[in-house]
Amino acid sequence: DAKTTQPTSMDCAEGRAANLPCNHSTISGNEYVYWYRQIHSQGPQYIIHGLKNNETNEMASLIITEDRKSSTLILPHATLRDTAVYYCIVRVVYNFNKFYFGSGTKLNVKP
Amino acid sequence: EAGVAQSPRYKIIEKRQSVAFWCNPISGHATLYWYQQILGQGPKLLIQFQNNGVVDDSQLPKDRFSAERLKGVDSTLKIQPAKLEDSAVYLCASSPLSTEQYFGPGTRLTVT
Repeated sequence: DAKTTQPTSMDCAEGRAANLPCNHSTISGNEYVYWYRQIHSQGPQYIIHGLKNNETNEMASLIITEDRKSSTLILPHATLRDTAVYYCIVRVVYNFNKFYFGSGTKLNVKP
Repeated sequence: EAGVAQSPRYKIIEKRQSVAFWCNPISGHATLYWYQQILGQGPKLLIQFQNNGVVDDSQLPKDRFSAERLKGVDSTLKIQPAKLEDSAVYLCASSPLSTEQYFGPGTRLTVT
């Protein structure tokens, strides 16, 4: 299964865009990239996912490089409530929707 | 729609005691997962059910952990006997057949 590498922590000023990188250099052609976040003392929350095209929803944008070896989650206007651990996950499509969580990136949004 | 429900939210037991956690998934979700999350780490999959059958339990310590999903709906996860290293948050998630998982709030277990 493809592994992901994320920075341990990042800071972002409130109101600015938060750009969270993820490296998944061993991703295979049928594996999707998923992003979840976990706010303190809550269960993880789905944010967005994509295969090879860039995706956008009401929460965030996902930019996947052309070679699919890395991706960036963009929170366009970060708020204090976006402070959380963000997990980048590569989904093993053939394996009954299994997810492997790494350690994630702790995003600290500061006023 | 109602989310994934878990109970209890908190549990404190002594080592060598037994404990059980309950999960009620989102209605109609065929797949149910139990994760263990140790402080400072990401969730680790323990067991995955598809309806009432086990799809993957390769990470479940079967000498002390057991789980069942009767009638393909609710599920229970049991630990017997508990060890100090079992202190963690136990997360339940459910999923329709295709995409994202929906997580419950978790049960925080402290073993003393």
